[in-house]
Amino acid sequence: DTGVSQDPRHKITKRGQNVTFRCDPISEHNRLYWYRQTLGQGPEFLTYFQNEAQLEKSRLLSDRFSAERPKGSFSTLEIQRTEQGDSAMYLCASSYTSDTEAFFGQGTRLTVV
Amino acid sequence: ELKVEQNPLFLSMQEGKNYTIYCNYSTTSDRLYWYRQDPGKSLESLFVLLSNGAVKQEGRLMASLDTKARLSTLHITAAVHDLSATYFCAGLNYGGATNKLIFGTGTLLAVQP
Repeated sequence: DTGVSQDPRHKITKRGQNVTFRCDPISEHNRLYWYRQTLGQGPEFLTYFQNEAQLEKSRLLSDRFSAERPKGSFSTLEIQRTEQGDSAMYLCASSYTSDTEAFFGQGTRLTVV
Repeated sequence: ELKVEQNPLFLSMQEGKNYTIYCNYSTTSDRLYWYRQDPGKSLESLFVLLSNGAVKQEGRLMASLDTKARLSTLHITAAVHDLSATYFCAGLNYGGATNKLIFGTGTLLAVQP
């Protein structure tokens, strides 16, 4: 296993378009997290899955954002009707339990023009 | 909710000098993480500090945790240019459906020759 994998690495989209990102966690990790990082800031928690269940969502996650993890393996994060304020690095992390170390993927950098 | 503050936010050092980055956190968090991030890249785990008085060292970096003072430090010894990066500390926030990492704003370290 090569770690947490995210795709695409970069995405440029026009305002108003929909985008979808994918995260493949480390295979034995049943916990998966999405974070967002804007320039000059630390990552901020967006949402959390345990297996296929989405158990927590941050208030940062507006109605335009939706995340899924249909089979408890990979996860997708979709942003509808993108806005310039959505431009950020979207990071995925996975862990074996809530107390063990979380490993981060390379991130998807979104630019909305 | 846990709040994490780092200082300084920016640190310009000369090679060969020593310096310390400070990380204060607001509520009980008995584990503290340090990550390194290179420009445009994801987060690389450096240290996981699990108990009061914990000290870990890797090369020129040494991290410590004082849970009573709610303080962690990252000490840099005899800095070299390769250490230039942004360093984040993160505490584990208990509550909600899962424990989640709460990050500081980061310290941008620039080591000058």
